[in-house]
Amino acid sequence: DIQMTQSPSSLSASVGDRVTITCQASQDISNYLNWYQQKPGKAPKLLIYDASNLETGVPSRFSGSGSGTDFTFTISSLQPEDIATYYCQHYDNLLRVTFGPGTKVDIK
Amino acid sequence: EVQLVESGGGLIQPGGSLRLSCAASGFTVSSNYMSWVRQAPGKGLEWVSVIYSGDRTYYADSVKGRFTISRDNSKNTLFLQMNSLRAEDTALYYCARGRIHLPYFDYWGQGTLVTVSS
Repeated sequence: DIQMTQSPSSLSASVGDRVTITCQASQDISNYLNWYQQKPGKAPKLLIYDASNLETGVPSRFSGSGSGTDFTFTISSLQPEDIATYYCQHYDNLLRVTFGPGTKVDIK
Repeated sequence: EVQLVESGGGLIQPGGSLRLSCAASGFTVSSNYMSWVRQAPGKGLEWVSVIYSGDRTYYADSVKGRFTISRDNSKNTLFLQMNSLRAEDTALYYCARGRIHLPYFDYWGQGTLVTVSS
């Protein structure tokens, strides 16, 4: 089974900062990697699909990159409304899903 | 407008059974990849099960043999039959819609809470 790791597990940053989260797969997963945002008490929201494609309606300050085993999620300028936990999600060739452990982002 | 509304959660004793429902509107469950995802209190997301084209189903190892996913196309509803429940199954259970036949979860329900405790 493919294992997904995320780092850091949590971070604090100031409004306007550039925030970067990494997700690493235990083996090559091509670009089968999505990113979600979950605010407290809410269901997750799809932000990025297939590593780098921005979901419709998602602000352009969010971006994703990477392929193979190493992926990056970036918020170019952190806003107060971006306080949330962010999860990467892999899917395999049978369309089974694995979520990363999550990265909690808050404001310094 | 796409909506997913889960129901059926509650307090159940270890070893018991529950059936969760997810009523869909604004699309047809038979046309999309549909999954259950759970979240234990204060923990991360855990994928549970999927049903997609041709009624193909897959399960997380943690629930294989105990949980069964199904759908009723006439009711446009997704189900999760949960048997032999354990304390570690305690979680908020979400149903989630994939983007047609792919696991990009673009719509989620509000979740239904399952608590397994004596």
